[in-house]
Amino acid sequence: AQSVTQPDIHITVSEGASLELRCNYSYGATPYLFWYVQSPGQGLQLLLKYFSGDTLVQGIKGFEAEFKRSQSSFNLRKPSVHWSDAAEYFCAVRFTGGGNKLTFGTGTQLKVEL
Amino acid sequence: DTAVSQTPKYLVTQMGNDKSIKCEQNLGHDTMYWYKQDSKKFLKIMFSYNNKELIINETVPNRFSPKSPDKAHLNLHINSLELGDSAVYFCASSQGLGYEQYFGPGTRLTVT
Repeated sequence: AQSVTQPDIHITVSEGASLELRCNYSYGATPYLFWYVQSPGQGLQLLLKYFSGDTLVQGIKGFEAEFKRSQSSFNLRKPSVHWSDAAEYFCAVRFTGGGNKLTFGTGTQLKVEL
Repeated sequence: DTAVSQTPKYLVTQMGNDKSIKCEQNLGHDTMYWYKQDSKKFLKIMFSYNNKELIINETVPNRFSPKSPDKAHLNLHINSLELGDSAVYFCASSQGLGYEQYFGPGTRLTVT
């Protein structure tokens, strides 16, 4: 079955430290991959996407993500976290044949310690 | 210059009532969606319209009825509201099928 897994429910990092949020999917082919961020009480903002090509993609707010086909992963990274990055992060996958339906992971809550 | 807007932002109502949530996008997109985010923040698609045609209709009670009067609007009408309908409902839009989706700010529905 097609699924998206974010293994870490909560992550706490110190401001200025590096960050990596994990995302794995279960699917036979290469899907379209996305990361969204949701600040408290806000909607979802698209951070970055992967459709094809270069497996390292750059997004907004200094985020990047790397697609690894062999590991079925699309991990989100940031070299130096800012306090304003504290939010909920969602990995989303568009599997083919789904009418552009996004399947979301369960989210990772990021806390930033000052 | 809000790209995807929803009204109302908050909606508190009693069980059994009928309510509507409106969504509008000014991005010129052809495809619009409704997602439901439950209390555990899990997001799941409900409906999708492409050029005013329903293309995704997930396993949603038929008390929920989407309506797309034109490509820029997708409204969600809910009949006979139940406690379990309490959630945040997000509208989204995309340029077409296969493109990234842009989300509205959400409507928090509370059924008492």
